[in-house]
This record gives sequence, structure tokens and C-alpha cells, in this order.
Amino acid sequence: DAKTTQPNSMESNEEEPVHLPCNHSTISGTDYIHWYRQLPSQGPEYVIHGLTSNVNNRMASLAIAEDRKSSTLILHRATLRDAAVYYCTLNFGNEKLTFGTGTRLTIIP
Amino acid sequence: DGGITQSPKYLFRKEGQNVTLSCEQNLNHDAMYWYRQDPGQGLRLIYYSQIVNDFQKGDIAEGYSVSREKKESFPLTVTSAQKNPTAFYLCASSTRDSLNEKLFFGSGTQLSVL
Repeated sequence: DAKTTQPNSMESNEEEPVHLPCNHSTISGTDYIHWYRQLPSQGPEYVIHGLTSNVNNRMASLAIAEDRKSSTLILHRATLRDAAVYYCTLNFGNEKLTFGTGTRLTIIP
Repeated sequence: DGGITQSPKYLFRKEGQNVTLSCEQNLNHDAMYWYRQDPGQGLRLIYYSQIVNDFQKGDIAEGYSVSREKKESFPLTVTSAQKNPTAFYLCASSTRDSLNEKLFFGSGTQLSVL
């Protein structure tokens, strides 16, 4: 199974950009890279996904390395509501969709 | 509003008792999933179903059972064989067999043992 590696925790100041890294060195050619985030006592919510090209939506941007072995979720201007656990996951749609422990993002006012 | 509804939000189980967690979706999704989350941990897949009347075991299916008699419903039973059932249970759905589609999650059920 394709696996991802993320830092356990990160901190960022409010209103500053945040770059959340994810390594996925065993990614296959057809695996999409998905990001979800989870607030305490809630289910995860979708943030963004991509295959090869960088992607932007109203929540965030996804920067994918040229070799696809890593990606970075970018929150352009962090707010306190962005404090959550962020999960990077691969191969959504396959039977073995897995979520690691993610990165706990703390926003400092 | 379309979405996934899990009930109850909190559930308590006595020793030796089976309990059933409900998951209903009105998104017309073919695929549904059950995950377990322990404190400070990621999500682990229990069971999944790609179509009505069919389901497969995930990574930690022992002590759990499911059914998929209707497209919109995927209940999870935590049996007495599950010796450590205390966890946060999450249900999700998606369109089937698509790597380009996202998961929609319910708000979860917290199961505790009395």
C-alpha cells in the first residue's frame, strides 16, 4: 500500500501562510494525492486533491513535486479556525484507503 | 441538505453486549466505509462496501459486522467479540471506483464501554 509521512505537529502565527509537507515516495502513477482535515470530535472534511499539477481552491493550494514523491498543502493566510489535524492520503477509491496520524496544526494568535 | 448522518452521537456498551451504529447517506453514493479512530491516532478501515449487498473487510474487521441492504444505509455492529471497542467511529461515502472523487464523512459516534 502506498503510504504517506507527515510531521506530527506544526505551529504557525495567525494571518501568516502555512506550508504542510507530505512525503509519499512509493506513490504510483495513478494515485491521486488527497488532503483532509479534522477538527476535534468531528469527522474529517475534504480540503483538496490533485494528480500532477498544482491545484488551487477556496480553502488551500496543493503543490506537487515534479517526481510526485512529495506534496505541500498551503494555507495562504491561517486563521484560528484552521487549527486541526491535517491528513495527506493516497489512492482514494482503492480498497485500502489509509489515513496516518496526520499533522496537528496549532495557530498562534 | 445532502450528507451523511451517524447516530447516535454517543453510545455506551455493557460487557457482552452487541451494539449497532447507524450510518445513512442521501448523496446517492455507491461506496460506503467504516473507520475506527483511537485517541491521538489516525483512521483505520473496518469494513467497506462498493455496492448494495456486497462488502469487504478492511484492516481491523475482527469483532465487527456490517450489512448493506440499501444503498443509503450501512450499519455497523460492534459485537461482544470486540474486546476493546472504546473508540470514535466514522462513516464515510463516495462515488464508486473513482480515484478522483472525495470522501464525505459523518460527524462520528463515540462508543464507550460501561
